Amino acid sequence: EDKVVQSPLSLVVHEGDTVTLNCSYEVTNFRSLLWYKQEKKAPTFLFMLTSSGIEKKSGRLSSILDKKELSSILNITATQTGDSAIYLCAVDRDDKIIFGKGTRLHILP
Amino acid sequence: GAGVSQSPSNKVTEKGKDVELRCDPISGHTALYWYRQSLGQGLEFLIYFQGNSAPDKSGLPSDRFSAERTGGSVSTLTIQRTQQEDSAVYLCASARGTEIFTDTQYFGPGTRLTVL
Repeated sequence: EDKVVQSPLSLVVHEGDTVTLNCSYEVTNFRSLLWYKQEKKAPTFLFMLTSSGIEKKSGRLSSILDKKELSSILNITATQTGDSAIYLCAVDRDDKIIFGKGTRLHILP
Repeated sequence: GAGVSQSPSNKVTEKGKDVELRCDPISGHTALYWYRQSLGQGLEFLIYFQGNSAPDKSGLPSDRFSAERTGGSVSTLTIQRTQQEDSAVYLCASARGTEIFTDTQYFGPGTRLTVL
């Protein structure tokens, strides 16, 4: 059965800390791995990863895919309270995407 | 329109009743997605439309669920004989449609469905 597992499920850190969120997957017909930030109800797309070992970066956020380990990490440096959200990992498998349960990140001021 | 709209914003229904959820995408967006967010669960993909066509309906939780899209615009998600486990926030998103799932998706505010 295809699955996407994220860890930790929740994380509380202080502003300014660096966090690393993990995503592992077992999915047939892997096409890409997606990261989303979900605030309130609507997730916003962060990264799409298709190639192993190539880091994608956007401001303080970066992500990388390891196809050998079937995993990805999302790094956030110099965290801010506005980074508090649920971070979702999903794997695109042909015409379907499979989501993990998310990591709930809370940044303390 | 300014963004994706969904109606109703909240729906409380009795078990066994049918409900219809509506999504109005951003004008010109050819891709439309339905998701479900259940309490304590991850975001669950249900179905997507490219134009009026839904290539894969296997994400729908059961045969009580159906969706259609007409005129490449408005979409409706229908749940027949609702069950308590159908209670969730149902999200709709639209995108320009050039790259499925990876195009920036613009989400509506969701419909919060409560089945008593």
